[in-house]
Amino acid sequence: ETGVTQTPRHLVMGMTNKKSLKCEQHLGHNAMYWYKQSAKKPLELMFVYNFKEQTENNSVPSRFSPECPNSSHLFLHLHTLQPEDSALYLCASSQDSGGGQPQHFGDGTRLSIL
Amino acid sequence: DQQVKQNSPSLSVQEGRISILNCDYTNSMFDYFLWYKKYPAEGPTFLISISSIKDKNEDGRFTVFLNKSAKHLSLHIVPSQPGDSAVYFCAASSGTYKYIFGTGTRLKVLA
Repeated sequence: ETGVTQTPRHLVMGMTNKKSLKCEQHLGHNAMYWYKQSAKKPLELMFVYNFKEQTENNSVPSRFSPECPNSSHLFLHLHTLQPEDSALYLCASSQDSGGGQPQHFGDGTRLSIL
Repeated sequence: DQQVKQNSPSLSVQEGRISILNCDYTNSMFDYFLWYKKYPAEGPTFLISISSIKDKNEDGRFTVFLNKSAKHLSLHIVPSQPGDSAVYFCAASSGTYKYIFGTGTRLKVLA
């Protein structure tokens, strides 16, 4: 079992659809993150959860809704997305949300909005 | 304004030689730095880190150098192997979980 698993790997959806991205980590970490990577741009932090509590919302539009039911699972619920939301969405985890430690990433979900 | 810059989008190196990947930053408050490697269709994999109290950290074939006065970070891979061909990202933070990532350098190691 890999450390951080994301499903699905690819998702194509229309602007009126509702879908969810799932992330599961098997590293015993307490902090989980959602990042967005658009073409030719650096990774952008979207949300942070530490011990199941949301500690960061980096001015993300409300059409993205995160959920963290426990320290091992993280979801990103999507609805009424726009074409510019097409990107690679990466989940990451770390021991906690303190500084000075690396974050471990999943393989991402490639999202395409029609 | 990009606080972390990787000015070389790509680099080609002969197998067995040294690969040097560079990263510049502007925020003097950054105190912890990471390098990640990313293969196509996979997520970034953590490679090596360095804190600002050091100027060098080594792990096998990978060495990271930090020049705080120049706000410059470099990753040396020696000897380079074809399996090292990937995109390399540097990232920096100032004591928090908020990492600022560079845009990456694509390394190609030629056999």
